[in-house]
Amino acid sequence: GENVEQHPSTLSVQEGDSAVIKCTYSDSASNYFPWYKQELGKRPQLIIDIRSNVGEKKDQRIAVTLNKTAKHFSLHITETQPEDSAVYFCAANSPGSARQLTFGSGTQLTVLP
Amino acid sequence: KAGVTQTPRYLIKTRGQQVTLSCSPISGHRSVSWYQQTPGQGLQFLFEYFSETQRNKGNFPGRFSGRQFSNSRSEMNVSTLELGDSALYLCASSFSGQGDTEAFFGQGTRLTVV
Repeated sequence: GENVEQHPSTLSVQEGDSAVIKCTYSDSASNYFPWYKQELGKRPQLIIDIRSNVGEKKDQRIAVTLNKTAKHFSLHITETQPEDSAVYFCAANSPGSARQLTFGSGTQLTVLP
Repeated sequence: KAGVTQTPRYLIKTRGQQVTLSCSPISGHRSVSWYQQTPGQGLQFLFEYFSETQRNKGNFPGRFSGRQFSNSRSEMNVSTLELGDSALYLCASSFSGQGDTEAFFGQGTRLTVV
């Protein structure tokens, strides 16, 4: 089955700096890669996603890049703010018609004021 | 549009008991997936239902089961509870059953087994 690895597990940045979180996946047939933000005690919230037919997608301060050849994708957050502090999860879908996501182990991002 | 609703939010059960959790997806969404979240194992897929049919199941024992009703609401059941079943159980709904559609999570049910 699909395996997703995520790095780093913790990341601290100064407010205003950029943060980058990286994930690799194992199944070349995966074609959908969402990113979720989970604040303490809250639900995972979809913040951005990318499909395998594009290499990059941007939404304001957040961007995701995908390298299908290397089977890795990354989340980039620019001009970080304290409210960006949370756990971020990457995920990859399982090939086929069923709706199943395999998640990375998460990155605790702390933005220091 | 209301989001994904899970009930109850919190549950405390004793070892050996069984429990049923409920998930109401976003109106119009037909796919419901269930995940278990623990500090040690992270987010793990349990199963997915689409049009009342279980289409995929994760690597969990048979004590974990579920179903989906004609209105797309879903329930999951855990029988003979073990201490290790303590976790946050999350459901996610998707408009279609296609593998590349967005999945939106509910607030989860926090299950504690004592």
